[in-house]
Amino acid sequence: KNQVEQSPQSLIILEGKNCTLQCNYTVSPFSNLRWYKQDTGRGPVSLTIMTFSENTKSNGRYTATLDADTKQSSLHITASQLSDSASYICVVSAQEGSTLGRLYFGRGTQLTVWP
Amino acid sequence: GAVVSQHPSWVICKSGTSVKIECRSLDFQATTMFWYRQFPKQSLMLMATSNEGSKATYEQGVEKDKFLINHASLTLSTLTVTSAHPEDSSFYICSAGRSSGGGTQYFGPGTRLTVL
Repeated sequence: KNQVEQSPQSLIILEGKNCTLQCNYTVSPFSNLRWYKQDTGRGPVSLTIMTFSENTKSNGRYTATLDADTKQSSLHITASQLSDSASYICVVSAQEGSTLGRLYFGRGTQLTVWP
Repeated sequence: GAVVSQHPSWVICKSGTSVKIECRSLDFQATTMFWYRQFPKQSLMLMATSNEGSKATYEQGVEKDKFLINHASLTLSTLTVTSAHPEDSSFYICSAGRSSGGGTQYFGPGTRLTVL
């Protein structure tokens, strides 16, 4: 069964601190993995995308890693800011022959940054 | 980047009425559009996939007669919630993809539906 599991479910950190979010998946055949940031009441916004051959991708203070062998990914946020408070969703795309493969969503990690 | 808009951003309606939500790809032609529903603290749940000019493919458990989807052009898809009930209250998000985009889906900002 294709699944995406994220941990922790929620996380509270102080402004300026770093944190790491985890994502484990069983989606097969694998196409790519994306991390999204979703603010409350808004649609998801893409942070990073990684294919099978990529094991790290950075976007400013966000750094994602991918281990395709163990089917694990992480999102590291450095020097957190209050505006980082949001839900971070791990999304894995399955390869289905067509260019638009089915997406499998994790439940997200709710990050709260306190001043 | 590709921009997807939704209208309205929020809507409140009485039970039994129908509500239409629009999803537009503003700067690209979307060969496929997707409709998702998201309940509080839950992940996005795919409701249906629609290709321009053809009937939508609904996920198991989604009533096609209740959630009418029309993808009349490469830039517009609509979701109509017919005879809405309070349990239909949710956050509806569309996404759009293009065949030349390497499989990337671009998400709209979402529509908050509240049925009284």
